[in-house]
Amino acid sequence: GESVGLHLPTLSVQEGDNSIINCAYSNSASDYFIWYKQESGKGPQFIIDIRSNMDKRQGQRVTVLLNKTVKHLSLQIAATQPGDSAVYFCAENTPTSYDKVIFGPGTSLSVIP
Amino acid sequence: GAGVSQTPSNKVTEKGKYVELRCDPISGHTALYWYRQSLGQGPEFLIYFQGTGAADDSGLPNDRFFAVRPEGSVSTLKIQRTERGDSAVYLCASSPGGPWSTEAFFGQGTRLTVV
Repeated sequence: GESVGLHLPTLSVQEGDNSIINCAYSNSASDYFIWYKQESGKGPQFIIDIRSNMDKRQGQRVTVLLNKTVKHLSLQIAATQPGDSAVYFCAENTPTSYDKVIFGPGTSLSVIP
Repeated sequence: GAGVSQTPSNKVTEKGKYVELRCDPISGHTALYWYRQSLGQGPEFLIYFQGTGAADDSGLPNDRFFAVRPEGSVSTLKIQRTERGDSAVYLCASSPGGPWSTEAFFGQGTRLTVV
């Protein structure tokens, strides 16, 4: 069945360092992926997305890498700041269920000042 | 409003009671989604509305859960005979319509606690 999972449930990084959050997905038909950030007491907030015809996409301080061969997704945050502390989810979307996304379990990022 | 609004923010109810959770989507958004998020987990899809109709209700766990969107705007998620396992944060999202996209925005959620 469809599923998305994360390798590391928690991640602690020093302020100013780069963070890498990983995600594995199992459905090879998934063609659209999104990273969300969720702060305590709030709903998920869009960070960056990538389609399966790309292997890299960059935003402001964030980069998403997609490796379709091993069905792996990563989110890189440059110069991590205290405001980046949150839970990060990857989510996938498939052509047969384009009306929704399936979320992985999440990684908690903690930035040490 | 400026964003997706969910009320109440918190709801505590006794086991066996009936609850209603409300979602006010972004004005003009035709698509509305309900997700459920248990502690320490990612959001789980429940139901998706396109306009007034439920286009995909495959995520509703059982017949105690029901959702409506009678005028294509506000939606209500209804849970009958609540159980302790229903305790979770219920998230609503809306988008302009069509496939899920970067234009989908979430509300802050309703935290439901069944005691």
